[in-house]
Amino acid sequence: KAGVTQTPRYLIKTRGQQVTLSCSPISGHRSVSWYQQTPGQGLQFLFEYFSETQRNKGNFPGRFSGRQFSNSRSEMNVSTLELGDSALYLCASSRIGLATDTQYFGPGTRLTVL
Amino acid sequence: DQQVKQNSPSLSVQEGRISILNCDYTNSMFDYFLWYKKYPAEGPTFLISISSIKDKNEDGRFTVFLNKSAKHLSLHIVPSQPGDSAVYFCAASRKNSGGYQKVTFGTGTKLQVIP
Repeated sequence: KAGVTQTPRYLIKTRGQQVTLSCSPISGHRSVSWYQQTPGQGLQFLFEYFSETQRNKGNFPGRFSGRQFSNSRSEMNVSTLELGDSALYLCASSRIGLATDTQYFGPGTRLTVL
Repeated sequence: DQQVKQNSPSLSVQEGRISILNCDYTNSMFDYFLWYKKYPAEGPTFLISISSIKDKNEDGRFTVFLNKSAKHLSLHIVPSQPGDSAVYFCAASRKNSGGYQKVTFGTGTKLQVIP
């Protein structure tokens, strides 16, 4: 079975721009979560979607948003980019999002903001 | 507020010896705990988990111990192998106000197993 895919893998943007990242979950998985990884901060939870609905949200400003489509694919958008948004953005999918459901991570999108 | 803490950013262990990775948490509402391993340029992969109703779970060379009174969990790898060299993330899960699980990750510990 194909794993979680994320596109693009690398992205360079300048301050003030916006960016959209895409995540395709494992077939049959309906829960998609997004995380931001920065040095020293570990993985910070952004949000989780299930059946096109946001069920969980982390402590990030409103510039970070996401959505999920009917085929479970998800996108996250960051508007008005800041230097501090440079990070690895990871997407994870699981069957229905229970704690006992294993989360499978994609390879991430490396975003650099100049 | 870092609710899940891994106070050791790095750890070096000789091949064949035991690796012990530690994790502390502050929120007593966490009811499920997990460990993930991450190699460079890859996403984290699930390693082992433990429910809050247990104090130990074993899977091959990997054992996770949970001490709820101390709000502490640890991952033991015995024997350690060079292929275990990676960043290890501790994670804890609890239900949010809507009843859905929310996972909080620690900052990671980079393990180096020296041949």
